[in-house]
Amino acid sequence: GAVVSQHPSWVICKSGTSVKIECRSLDFQATTMFWYRQFPKQSLMLMATSNEGSKATYEQGVEKDKFLINHASLTLSTLTVTSAHPEDSSFYICSARDLAGGGNQPQHFGDGTRLSIL
Amino acid sequence: DAKTTQPTSMDCAEGRAANLPCNHSTISGNEYVYWYRQIHSQGPQYIIHGLKNNETNEMASLIITEDRKSSTLILPHATLRDTAVYYCIVRGYSGAGSYQLTFGKGTKLSVIP
Repeated sequence: GAVVSQHPSWVICKSGTSVKIECRSLDFQATTMFWYRQFPKQSLMLMATSNEGSKATYEQGVEKDKFLINHASLTLSTLTVTSAHPEDSSFYICSARDLAGGGNQPQHFGDGTRLSIL
Repeated sequence: DAKTTQPTSMDCAEGRAANLPCNHSTISGNEYVYWYRQIHSQGPQYIIHGLKNNETNEMASLIITEDRKSSTLILPHATLRDTAVYYCIVRGYSGAGSYQLTFGKGTKLSVIP
């Protein structure tokens, strides 16, 4: 089945540093990838839609200059949390859908990155 | 996309069938029903999806009512590893552009030994 790999799975860093999270589709190509954030005991909230070769689309309230998204190839999207602060601590999850097949193909999710900012 | 309503939590005895309901009374003709589950501290796992016909795969069965206003996910023989939050999501098939999923609160299924 379709596999999405996310790296790193866990990161702790000091306040003010930048953190890059990678999302790879391992056995399929993905024109579109999605980035979600999940706070404790809450549901997933979509942050942005990453489009290969073009700018990402951000949801309302998500700062595009703070959460930089790059989707340089059909198998890789990256999310960089710039100048991270404790309030950015969260569980970040990416997803991708297979380019092949019909529009009803499901999204497949990575295992998430737990980010802790001290 | 149509809104869905699910019970907050459910219990199921190990080995028994788990039946998870979902209401989506405002679903439109081109919207599919997707089911995902999230085990603690992991990303969501795709289970099954359907449009109007019942569907079955190695994980579960999806029963969609004839009027498509509700559906039921069936795990035929629940195990302890099936304990998770189950999300029912309705999404349109746009053919191009956005395919984003909107997650609600889901149903917390607890499988009891």
